[in-house]
Amino acid sequence: DTEVTQTPKHLVMGMTNKKSLKCEQHMGHRAMYWYKQKAKKPPELMFVYSYEKLSINESVPSRFSPECPNSSLLNLHLHALQPEDSALYLCASSQDMASSGANVLTFGAGSRLTVL
Amino acid sequence: AQKITQTQPGMFVQEKEAVTLDCTYDTSDPSYGLFWYKQPSSGEMIFLIYQGSYDQQNATEGRYSLNFQKARKSANLVISASQLGDSAMYFCAMREVNTNAGKSTFGDGTTLTVKP
Repeated sequence: DTEVTQTPKHLVMGMTNKKSLKCEQHMGHRAMYWYKQKAKKPPELMFVYSYEKLSINESVPSRFSPECPNSSLLNLHLHALQPEDSALYLCASSQDMASSGANVLTFGAGSRLTVL
Repeated sequence: AQKITQTQPGMFVQEKEAVTLDCTYDTSDPSYGLFWYKQPSSGEMIFLIYQGSYDQQNATEGRYSLNFQKARKSANLVISASQLGDSAMYFCAMREVNTNAGKSTFGDGTTLTVKP
């Protein structure tokens, strides 16, 4: 069973729509991440939340808006996206962002987004 | 300069044989972690194995072992007795403890195909 659950698995939206991607983990992890991945490419970090506070924003356009309502949930709100935003969006969590090399990321299965 | 280099875009291996996936890295941080993740076509990234920069012994996890050569800055993944289910994309990643804000850097990946 996947310990990080992402919904929906697939999402098709128009450029004027507003939608949200959701991510949930119950491992007690205090760091949560959003990654964007294009086909055959490595994942690109978008945002990191540490103890429910936004700690890293990799200069992501404002049409992507993250939210961390509590330590188990992470949302990514989408608005006025472009076709080039079509990608696999991966959520991940880790124990925390403490200064330890062994910061294993546990990923969800991803939400495959298509923007028309 | 790329921090993580995976020079093999694609690899083929016969079922039941061993295969080595190459990874070299570049860092001046003395404290770092090295990771391998597997991504099947379904999309989920799965953690395979971790090696810390101060670990004296090579990491092993079941059929996976990490050939860590610190002086050469290499962290190759060895998969023994390949199975058809090992067909996937494999990413090498590094997390520097004192630099790069603790973010993980991924290589471009290697697509492994196991032939029956």
